[in-house]
Amino acid sequence: AQRVTQPEKLLSVFKGAPVELKCNYSYSGSPELFWYVQYSRQRLQLLLRHISRESIKGFTADLNKGETSFHLKKPFAQEEDSAMYYCALMRAGANNLFFGTGTRLTVIP
Amino acid sequence: DAGVTQSPTHLIKTRGQQVTLRCSPISGHKSVSWYQQVLGQGPQFIFQYYEKEERGRGNFPDRFSARQFPNYSSELNVNALLLGDSALYLCASTKTGTGAVPFSGNTIYFGEGSWLTVV
Repeated sequence: AQRVTQPEKLLSVFKGAPVELKCNYSYSGSPELFWYVQYSRQRLQLLLRHISRESIKGFTADLNKGETSFHLKKPFAQEEDSAMYYCALMRAGANNLFFGTGTRLTVIP
Repeated sequence: DAGVTQSPTHLIKTRGQQVTLRCSPISGHKSVSWYQQVLGQGPQFIFQYYEKEERGRGNFPDRFSARQFPNYSSELNVNALLLGDSALYLCASTKTGTGAVPFSGNTIYFGEGSWLTVV
């Protein structure tokens, strides 16, 4: 079975401060990991995926297979980063996502 | 380009009734998935269809069913509604490459959802 855990339901940081949203997973195989974001009154959208190894809107996430983590990081938070963030896992060869419960990030001006 | 479109956006049903939710994928996308998102939780996978065939099913009772049409649009049906079925129902579409499943490597795009309230 697979599981995605986001331990923080709410996270508040000041503008310009570093931010880290935690994600841990359990899966016996080699998963694909994703971060999805939902801004206020907008649809769920892909932020980044680990296989791309790219930085989107200043966010990065590294897959740590030893710690089974995929934490999302940004060195300097911006007010427009305030949103709901979901970590998600796709099993190898599968076609659907398993989501965590999400973390609501609030960036304080 | 239009994104994934869903209808209706909101609806209220009574326990025991049946509901049909509709989804149109992004043009050119052949795969549609359905997710249920209960308040305070992440989306939970219900079904996935590709080329009109069911390719995946989550842990949901048989009251939930779906189908995909030749134009790749999809319907989700829920029978004998329970209060616990109240949720946001999300449709997602994926552009598949040549070859069969896997869908790994394809971005999954979500619609805005249909809010279902069962009273």
